[in-house]
Order: sequence, then C-alpha cells, then structure tokens
Amino acid sequence: GESVGLHLPTLSVQEGDNSIINCAYSNSASDYFIWYKQESGKGPQFIIDIRSNMDKRQGQRVTVLLNKTVKHLSLQIAATQPGDSAVYFCAENPTSSGNTPLVFGKGTRLSVIA
Amino acid sequence: DAGVIQSPRHEVTEMGQEVTLRCKPISGHNSLFWYRQTMMRGLELLIYFNNNVPIDDSGMPEDRFSAKMPNASFSTLKIQPSEPRDSAVYFCASGTGSGTGELFFGEGSRLTVL
Repeated sequence: GESVGLHLPTLSVQEGDNSIINCAYSNSASDYFIWYKQESGKGPQFIIDIRSNMDKRQGQRVTVLLNKTVKHLSLQIAATQPGDSAVYFCAENPTSSGNTPLVFGKGTRLSVIA
Repeated sequence: DAGVIQSPRHEVTEMGQEVTLRCKPISGHNSLFWYRQTMMRGLELLIYFNNNVPIDDSGMPEDRFSAKMPNASFSTLKIQPSEPRDSAVYFCASGTGSGTGELFFGEGSRLTVL
C-alpha cells in the first residue's frame, strides 16, 4: 500500500472476483487499525476495524487480516462490485480511542472491471 | 445526524489571499482533527483538538497556518497568506474517546491557490 511519487498503486479486478489490498504499517505499538474507503470527491468512509489482540475480523463481504509479526494488514473484499471502485487506505492508531489521531497509509486504488 | 460538515466545498483564490476553512464536528464528539490530502503526501495530520484544546499542532506546515476551536461545535483552519503549494483537499474529522478509534470525516474542502 505504499505510493510511489504521484501514482497510487492500482489493483484492477474483474467484477465478481475477490480483491485483496495490502498495507504495511509502521508502528509496532499501534493498538488499533482501520480500513477506509474514499470515493472520488468524498471524504474517507469507515469500512472495518480490528484491534491488535485479534488477527482476523469479518464484516459484510469484507475481511481484515492482521499480522503483527511482519506489521502487515490486508483487506479482502468478496465478490467485488463496481461500487467498490475507490481508493482504500489503511490507518493505524497507537490507542483504540477516538481522541488520538490516525496515521494513514498512502492508499491503493481499486478499479473494478465490469 | 448530519455528520461532519465542512465549508466551503471548493475555494479558488489568488496567491497572497487569506483562506478560512470551517468545520462543524458531530454533536457529542470531543475530538476534532484537521488533515490535508495531496497526491504526493497522502493524508497528513495538521492539528487536533481534544475538548476544544489544541493537543498537537506539529503537522501545521508553517506560521501561515492557524487553527482555532472556540467551542465544541465549530473549528476554523486559516491560511494567511496563501501560496500555490497550499493547494490540496483539507479534511476535518471528529471522534470520541468513549467509542471506538474510528474518526468520522467530512466531505473536504478543495482549495486551489493560483
């Protein structure tokens, strides 16, 4: 999930296939992680979160996996739909409180091919 | 709830002019965050407030930037004088220590400085 210069990493997926978006986070002390989805012209929207005492959490069509050993986070989207096209950001928080800022990765652009 | 409300959504101004961006957080949230988003640097934290008090402004680029939160329902981010390199999308987000670590974002203010 690291950007290179002006270009975001892009993942192109056929409609109906599963998508996997990866993210490497920086702080081994981070306690809480979130995936956000940002559509063009809008603010980031919450998708799913996970605390550091878990390694997997499932939502509706989405699953987040956390590997603390290698500081890696992934977002899996099942049966990807055109409406899933967006930029996806992982974010980490040293606490699980909404009183402290999130640190965001650079993002990955998901493009769904109909 | 109307969510986090930002204004203006778009602003085009000339170099040297003063710019004021406004934010109304979600009612009941006690933390407010200002982020800036550019293609080169992604989402960067500028400043955040807890209970209307600035906690960390180390992300503010320079003295031309200032932020205030006179009450729990209103915050401003001011740039004076503005420069072309300030062109970006500025997001306001709010959160609460009594919930999860999720931050709720507004739709952003897109600033273009000519």
